[in-house]
Parts: sequence; C-alpha cells; structure tokens
Amino acid sequence: KNQVEQSPQSLIILEGKNCTLQCNYTVSPFSNLRWYKQDTGRGPVSLTIMTFSENTKSNGRYTATLDADTKQSSLHITASQLSDSASYICVVNDRGSTLGRLYFGRGTQLTVWP
Amino acid sequence: EADIYQTPRYLVIGTGKKITLECSQTMGHDKMYWYQQDPGMELHLIHYSYGVNSTEKGDLSSESTVSRIRTEHFPLTLESARPSHTSQYLCASCQGASSTDTQYFGPGTRLTVL
Repeated sequence: KNQVEQSPQSLIILEGKNCTLQCNYTVSPFSNLRWYKQDTGRGPVSLTIMTFSENTKSNGRYTATLDADTKQSSLHITASQLSDSASYICVVNDRGSTLGRLYFGRGTQLTVWP
Repeated sequence: EADIYQTPRYLVIGTGKKITLECSQTMGHDKMYWYQQDPGMELHLIHYSYGVNSTEKGDLSSESTVSRIRTEHFPLTLESARPSHTSQYLCASCQGASSTDTQYFGPGTRLTVL
C-alpha cells in the first residue's frame, strides 16, 4: 500500500494562475519530505526539502508547507508559467536506516495552458 | 543541473534480447540507484549501491542485475528481455550518508520490449 498519496491526480490551469498540490503520507518514523518536479521524458529534479521542524520552504515561485502532526504537505505554485507543466512528486524519507527509505507518491500532472 | 547520464534514452528491442542500460555520473557520488517507473505510477527502487563492489536489491523484485566496478558507472543488465520489462528506468546518485542528501536523477531510459 502506497504510504504517500497525492491529489489531485491531474490539474489544468491557465498561465499566470496559482495552484496548490496536496500530499498526505503515513510514513513513520518521518525524516524529511521532498517535492520533485519531473518534466516529461526527464528525471525528477528536487524543488524543496523539509525536515520535521520546518513547516514552510520556498524556492522561487514554489512554496512547500509541512504539517508533521497531520502528516500533510502542500506545494503552492505562484503565477504559473508554461514551463511549470510537469509531474510534481512528493517523496517522504523515513528514519529506518542511515539513508532511510524513500516513499514516492504517484505525482500530480500539472498542465499550464496559455 | 546534475551530471548524471543515461544511455540509451530510448530502446525498442525484441523478446529474448540481452540489453545493458548505462548510467554514469561525474560527481564522485558513492551511492547510486536504479528505479523503475511506469506511466502515472510511483518510482520503485530495484537496485542500489553504496560504493564500488557493493550492490543490493531494492524493494521491487526485478530480473535485472547490476554491477559497480567503478564509482562513476552503474550499468543495469537484462539477460533476456520480455514485454513485462517495458518501462522507464531512472538512475540516480547521492553524495553523502545523511537522509537529507539529495538524490540526483538521470534523464531515464524508456525501454520497450516487443
């Protein structure tokens, strides 16, 4: 059973609009949570990482939030651009070993229309 | 942009063929990984290596094998490809031992077995 659930599965927005993607996880014990951006036909690229004590992290127009109590995270994209069209993947790292195990969500496919 | 490369980017072969997917990185990372990803699905870890002559199987059972003779190379081999092996294969590398260290992904190889 996938322990990282993302919603929505897909999303279409107009250029310039904002959007928020959701990630709920059940992974325990928790080490950190990352958001990756994966362009079509490419490998994922890390956008943000948050540890247990952090509840917000920004990277340009991307802002991630984390509520470790409710085990929820969100990725907010401001003033979307056509180049934001991609799959956004939520990845949770546990503390089971030195590097931990990575739990991947299935991603939210974002399409930005002109 | 991460210095991690995969070849070929696309491969279409017939059933029963032996194939090797190449992965190389120029960052001197000790840790390397192979993931399998089907469309709309999460990444699954199939192999990983913590250094030269170290290889381990991942969470998803795979008929592929890997080797790590040099730090920079982590090839994946299928002795006899089958249609069930059709998928995208992503290679990644990581520098340190901390759970917060970033995994850098290659562009992937999309394999189709007819």
